[in-house]
Amino acid sequence: NAGVTQTPKFRVLKTGQSMTLLCAQDMNHEYMYWYRQDPGMGLRLIHYSVGEGTTAKGEVPDGYNVSRLKKQNFLLGLESAAPSQTSVYFCASRYNTGGNTGELFFGEGSRLTVL
Amino acid sequence: KNEVEQSPQNLTAQEGEFITINCSYSVGISALHWLQQHPGGGIVSLFMLSSGKKKHGRLIATINIQEKHSSLHITASHPRDSAVYICAVPTYLISNFGNEKLTFGTGTRLTIIP
Repeated sequence: NAGVTQTPKFRVLKTGQSMTLLCAQDMNHEYMYWYRQDPGMGLRLIHYSVGEGTTAKGEVPDGYNVSRLKKQNFLLGLESAAPSQTSVYFCASRYNTGGNTGELFFGEGSRLTVL
Repeated sequence: KNEVEQSPQNLTAQEGEFITINCSYSVGISALHWLQQHPGGGIVSLFMLSSGKKKHGRLIATINIQEKHSSLHITASHPRDSAVYICAVPTYLISNFGNEKLTFGTGTRLTIIP
């Protein structure tokens, strides 16, 4: 099992460009999340999904869009990148435990720089 | 929103020392998570606990629900334990799904010197 795989690992964009980060998991997890990690701050939730075809906003959704067309994939899109979106992005997934937040499995992270 | 505070922010110790990292939160929770972020950036889940104590190898996590406090201990610390240790607690999102999310602390950067 590969677990949670993020692509690309690194990307440099110019302001206004668009891009998509792909997260793929092979554990048949229902829940998937996109976080961003910035210096001096804890991981912050951008968007999440509780199953195929569903998405919902997290704490910092502005400037991002997501799609979950297949259960194993969760895509994070930046339509018009801004320097404030320079960050390290993490995808995570977990089973639907029906109550408490279950164990999260993280990808290796994607470092995005917007010039 | 559940506020999470970790202490210390940075900790440097000699190999073999007993390490304690603390986490306090503001709102009662169902379970608390401890995570480890390696120098290369990858994040792995260490523990999820709702009461008492859990042990995995040289790592021990304890939680006091009444005091809203958890500690992560490392016995016989080793340079390979050098990492950022992150505490996370549930916070409920207001959304169509009524789902809970995790609020993450800013982490404790641990450096073990040989």
